[in-house]
Amino acid sequence: AQSVTQLDSQVPVFEEAPVELRCNYSSSVSVYLFWYVQYPNQGLQLLLKYLSGSTLVKGINGFEAEFNKSQTSFHLRKPSVHISDTAEYFCAVRTGGGNKLTFGTGTQLKVEL
Amino acid sequence: DAGITQSPRYKITETGRQVTLMCHQTWSHSYMFWYRQDLGHGLRLIYYSAAADITDKGEVPDGYVVSRSKTENFPLTLESATRSQTSVYFCASSEEGRNSPLHFGNGTRLTVT
Repeated sequence: AQSVTQLDSQVPVFEEAPVELRCNYSSSVSVYLFWYVQYPNQGLQLLLKYLSGSTLVKGINGFEAEFNKSQTSFHLRKPSVHISDTAEYFCAVRTGGGNKLTFGTGTQLKVEL
Repeated sequence: DAGITQSPRYKITETGRQVTLMCHQTWSHSYMFWYRQDLGHGLRLIYYSAAADITDKGEVPDGYVVSRSKTENFPLTLESATRSQTSVYFCASSEEGRNSPLHFGNGTRLTVT
């Protein structure tokens, strides 16, 4: 079965600094990868997705992620964060049927002044 | 408004009581899902449905029952609530197709006393 590991439970960063949120997946077959963001007391919103093709995927709010098959990673990056980026971020993988997503345990991004 | 709606937003119930969480989507998406979110576990899939009258178990189905008589509704029932079912529950939907993302509701925070 596929799984997703988010290596950092919390990432503090100063405003306007760059950030990388790490995600590794385990799967021996083709994967579809997603990043979601969750603001307090809300549901999850799609940031970006990797299906195939270019390994660099651009999403909303200035985020991007790079798919690295050899390292089985899909790290999320933003060159300059804003206070409003404070939220929890989830990496997810889809393999097999049923359109199901398997989620990581989440990374809490805290942007400080 | 189009979207996915969960009700109630907050619910407190006692151990042993039956409780039903409601989920309604207006997109006519084929797939619907129920996840629970717990600290340290991320989101875990409880049940999912590929179409009306087709449901299947996810990772943590014990103690839950679902039905889907209409495409737009996917209620989740806890037949005899336990304290371990205290959680935030998210409903989601998606179109068919492995490149289709999940769209989430705003969640129901359930407390079992």
